[in-house]
Amino acid sequence: EAGVAQSPRYKIIEKRQSVAFWCNPISGHATLYWYQQILGQGPKLLIQFQNNGVVDDSQLPKDRFSAERLKGVDSTLKIQPAKLEDSAVYLCASSEERTPGGEQYFGPGTRLTVT
Amino acid sequence: AQSVTQLGSHVSVSEGALVLLRCNYSSSVPPYLFWYVQYPNQGLQLLLKYTSAATLVKGINGFEAEFKKSETSFHLTKPSAHMSDAAEYFCAVSRAAGNKLTFGGGTRVLVKP
Repeated sequence: EAGVAQSPRYKIIEKRQSVAFWCNPISGHATLYWYQQILGQGPKLLIQFQNNGVVDDSQLPKDRFSAERLKGVDSTLKIQPAKLEDSAVYLCASSEERTPGGEQYFGPGTRLTVT
Repeated sequence: AQSVTQLGSHVSVSEGALVLLRCNYSSSVPPYLFWYVQYPNQGLQLLLKYTSAATLVKGINGFEAEFKKSETSFHLTKPSAHMSDAAEYFCAVSRAAGNKLTFGGGTRVLVKP
């Protein structure tokens, strides 16, 4: 079974530029998550989708971050404009359904460096 | 609101020695608790989870954790460390509804030969 795919794996941009990350979850997984992991910290949830609807985006900086999950499959996370503090690893995860205690499967992440 | 505290950002153990990673949580409802491992430049992999069944949970790679409600703890142990256990370990909690994970700050494990 293929895992969660993410691209690109690495990205370096200058501040005020824009960037987009792509995630393809495990086939059949209805729930998709984007986490931000700053160096030395645990991941923090940015946004959670159930199919193509947003369940939780309370910690998404909506003035610069946006995300979509068209057709309830792939998802894209965008940052525009980027700031230095956005340097982090962006992890995508998916799970079969919004079941309490259900396992989340993580992709390898995209490491973003903002200079 | 939920929170997770992992005591010790770095732990150094000798190969063959006991590995003990500490995790304490706060939650207003009975929690679901997880331990994940992250190897360099990789995503997170689930080691084990507690979902209100047995309080002693066995996971992959010889790890286990015990849920202690009175202590609000979910410490991770492995009797004998192996070089391949060198990684970063994260404790996480989720509520009964929503399945959002709240992570601790992580503990990096170094295994000395």
